[in-house]
Amino acid sequence: GESVGLHLPTLSVQEGDNSIINCAYSNSASDYFIWYKQESGKGPQFIIDIRSNMDKRQGQRVTVLLNKTVKHLSLQIAATQPGDSAVYFCAEKRGSTLGRLYFGRGTQLTVWP
Amino acid sequence: DTGVSQDPRHKITKRGQNVTFRCDPISEHNRLYWYRQTLGQGPEFLTYFQNEAQLEKSRLLSDRFSAERPKGSFSTLEIQRTEQGDSAMYLCASSLERGSGEAFFGQGTRLTVV
Repeated sequence: GESVGLHLPTLSVQEGDNSIINCAYSNSASDYFIWYKQESGKGPQFIIDIRSNMDKRQGQRVTVLLNKTVKHLSLQIAATQPGDSAVYFCAEKRGSTLGRLYFGRGTQLTVWP
Repeated sequence: DTGVSQDPRHKITKRGQNVTFRCDPISEHNRLYWYRQTLGQGPEFLTYFQNEAQLEKSRLLSDRFSAERPKGSFSTLEIQRTEQGDSAMYLCASSLERGSGEAFFGQGTRLTVV
């Protein structure tokens, strides 16, 4: 079926290194993507978004890359910090459904000091 | 605090009981969403309101579930005759209709059915 998924369930990095979290999607109708960060016991927190007419968007220490050809999305975190440890989800909004987000399973990022 | 607020944060109930959760969205947001999240999974869409109108419901929202947003501000999610499978985190989110419509989530209500 159509789904948003992640390649790796866990990712461990050392403090100061760059992190790359990947996401695959299969619905070519998806026109908007969001990365969320979720810390234990809390709700998802918006990190960065990208529309399907873009292939790259940068924020503070984060960059999202979108490759529509292979339906792949990635989140790059520069100079990863212990406070970045969390589960990261990509979510997609499909053009015909205004309100609904489809989430993948998530990647647990652990940053070691 | 001007974020999305959910109450209660935790709820333990016996199987068969009814429970009701409340969500107060960001004040200027006219869209409100309910999601459910089980351990190790991403949030799953339940339902969505634009102002007071419930515009979409997932198949996950069985007839034991009902959501309301009577005045287009706060919303309630009621689960009747709870089952152990209803144990999950129930998340509320809100967004603006205009712009990118990015959704901001509350802290969630953790439901445990025993």
